[in-house]
Amino acid sequence: EAEVAQSPRYKITEKSQAVAFWCDPISGHATLYWYRQILGQGPELLVQFQDESVVDDSQLPKDRFSAERLKGVDSTLKIQPAELGDSAMYLCASSAQNYNEQFFGPGTRLTVL
Amino acid sequence: AQRVTQPEKLLSVFKGAPVELKCNYSYSGSPELFWYVQYSRQRLQLLLRHISRESIKGFTADLNKGETSFHLKKPFAQEEDSAMYYCALTGGATNKLIFGTGTLLAVQP
Repeated sequence: EAEVAQSPRYKITEKSQAVAFWCDPISGHATLYWYRQILGQGPELLVQFQDESVVDDSQLPKDRFSAERLKGVDSTLKIQPAELGDSAMYLCASSAQNYNEQFFGPGTRLTVL
Repeated sequence: AQRVTQPEKLLSVFKGAPVELKCNYSYSGSPELFWYVQYSRQRLQLLLRHISRESIKGFTADLNKGETSFHLKKPFAQEEDSAMYYCALTGGATNKLIFGTGTLLAVQP
């Protein structure tokens, strides 16, 4: 069964360093989402892509976060520089088209020291 | 403001007891409501959505627009139901999910 893939699963870094996360959505899914989940809270959307275009990045801290989906398939989320408050689980999800079920990846747990 | 509220962080019940996980929302429009579940060491997955009106794994949820609630219910809890449950909604031009803070359901033997 097709699943959303993410790597790495765990990342430990020091503050002020750069980190990058990768997501490979289910084949054929046009919509890709990046969520951040802080411990004890529900996931919060950071950025949403429709194919290679950003359709919502209103909650993305653009001074340090960037996201791209150059060919409309896989995606990379980058943080530079990382801060202590960025420690969280970063989840990627994809859906076949708007208003359909979102399928989630296993997440990348980031710890910033 | 769009918001989903799950008042209980932890709900502990005995096997065979009824379960009700509470969810209230605020949204100016007609949202679509969901319950997502995350079992131990597994990824977040959809349990049910209000428009399908299905019963999944014995769980049901009814959308009450007057009370702006979407409580999740099961008449007889099983140990395998132990998991983290998130209520969520979407609305507007995108499919953006807005999640509650989650409720950990622990079913004791």
